[in-house]
Amino acid sequence: EPEVTQTPSHQVTQMGQEVILRCVPISNHLYFYWYRQILGQKVEFLVSFYNNEISEKSEIFDDQFSVERPDGSNFTLKIRSTKLEDSAMYFCASKPQGPGNTIYFGEGSWLTVV
Amino acid sequence: KQEVTQIPAALSVPEGENLVLNCSFTDSAIYNLQWFRQDPGKGLTSLLLIQSSQREQTSGRLNASLDKSSGRSTLYIAASQPGDSATYLCAAYSGNTPLVFGKGTRLSVIA
Repeated sequence: EPEVTQTPSHQVTQMGQEVILRCVPISNHLYFYWYRQILGQKVEFLVSFYNNEISEKSEIFDDQFSVERPDGSNFTLKIRSTKLEDSAMYFCASKPQGPGNTIYFGEGSWLTVV
Repeated sequence: KQEVTQIPAALSVPEGENLVLNCSFTDSAIYNLQWFRQDPGKGLTSLLLIQSSQREQTSGRLNASLDKSSGRSTLYIAASQPGDSATYLCAAYSGNTPLVFGKGTRLSVIA
């Protein structure tokens, strides 16, 4: 069964460093998402991406975050200058066209900022 | 703004018991509701998706229902097994807006 794949599975970075989290969505999907889950808290929406542009973003997704689909298969989340509070599990997700379809999530990337 | 609540926050049951997990949402104008399973430190595995026009969906020992008018969904697990131990999340989806998640119910099935 097709799946969303994410790399790295775990990354430790120093505060202030840039981090890029990578995702390969399911190939025929058109909507792409990043969510995050701080330990013990709800899964929170960050950003959605459709037709090569951001379609919606949350208050969390400030200027230090950016997303890109550089080559038609990968979907990346960049955090320019990490803060301690960015430590979380980051999930990538994708969905086919149409509101009635399942959203599929990847296994997540654990980010630890020290 | 959509808010999703799940009760109970945690549940412990003996193996073999049937159980119900509850999910409520504040905005009934949803397109669908999706139930996920999350094992500790792992990703989100989609279990069932109920579209707004449907009242329930079944997959194996799992049955999910949806009552839009009351803003509720339930996940019924029949004949629970220790392997069912995980956190179960529900999430409401309205058109192309993002999924809104509940905090989950942490289920422990004791052998």
